[in-house]
Amino acid sequence: AQTVTQSQPEMSVQEAETVTLSCTYDTSESDYYLFWYKQPPSRQMILVIRQEAYKQQNATENRFSVNFQKAAKSFSLKISDSQLGDAAMYFCAYRTENTNAGKSTFGDGTTLTVKP
Amino acid sequence: DVKVTQSSRYLVKRTGEKVFLECVQDMDHENMFWYRQDPGLGLRLIYFSYDVKMKEKGDIPEGYSVSREKKERFSLILESASTNQTSMYLCASSLWAGRSYEQYFGPGTRLTVT
Repeated sequence: AQTVTQSQPEMSVQEAETVTLSCTYDTSESDYYLFWYKQPPSRQMILVIRQEAYKQQNATENRFSVNFQKAAKSFSLKISDSQLGDAAMYFCAYRTENTNAGKSTFGDGTTLTVKP
Repeated sequence: DVKVTQSSRYLVKRTGEKVFLECVQDMDHENMFWYRQDPGLGLRLIYFSYDVKMKEKGDIPEGYSVSREKKERFSLILESASTNQTSMYLCASSLWAGRSYEQYFGPGTRLTVT
């Protein structure tokens, strides 16, 4: 079974600085997808960024980028120029190409605090 | 924009009551999911559905059942609520598997069983 591990239950960053959230996963599959979701306090969870395993290039979405290391099964999220609105719980998620119904496995989450 | 709505944001029920949590999505998604979210445990999948009347157990189905009579609606049922089912319940939907489609989440229902 696939597992997703987020080793940092809590992280903090100073406004305007950069922070990296870690995620590792365990799988024997070769085709899969990885996601980072953001859950702000009392608000709906939304997608931050996604990565297809067959793509070597790291995904980027504005201030958010990933460092995808397929051999090491690592998928970290880098947030540049952190803003107060980035404060949230972040979840890493894995989904294989072959799973039923797009079922995903989530990590336990990392709570990010942004200090003004 | 995809909208996933849940019938209640907060719910308080008594032990032994039958509880219905409703979820509706408006984007014709094939897949729908029910999770519970507890501190330190992340999101745990209770049940999911990939088509009308089709359902599969997730990681923690005990004490729960589901119903999907229409494509847009997915209900979670607690047949006899217990205090250990006090939790945040999240519904999600997505397009079919095989692509990098993300899940869209509802706002959650915080259920307290007393």
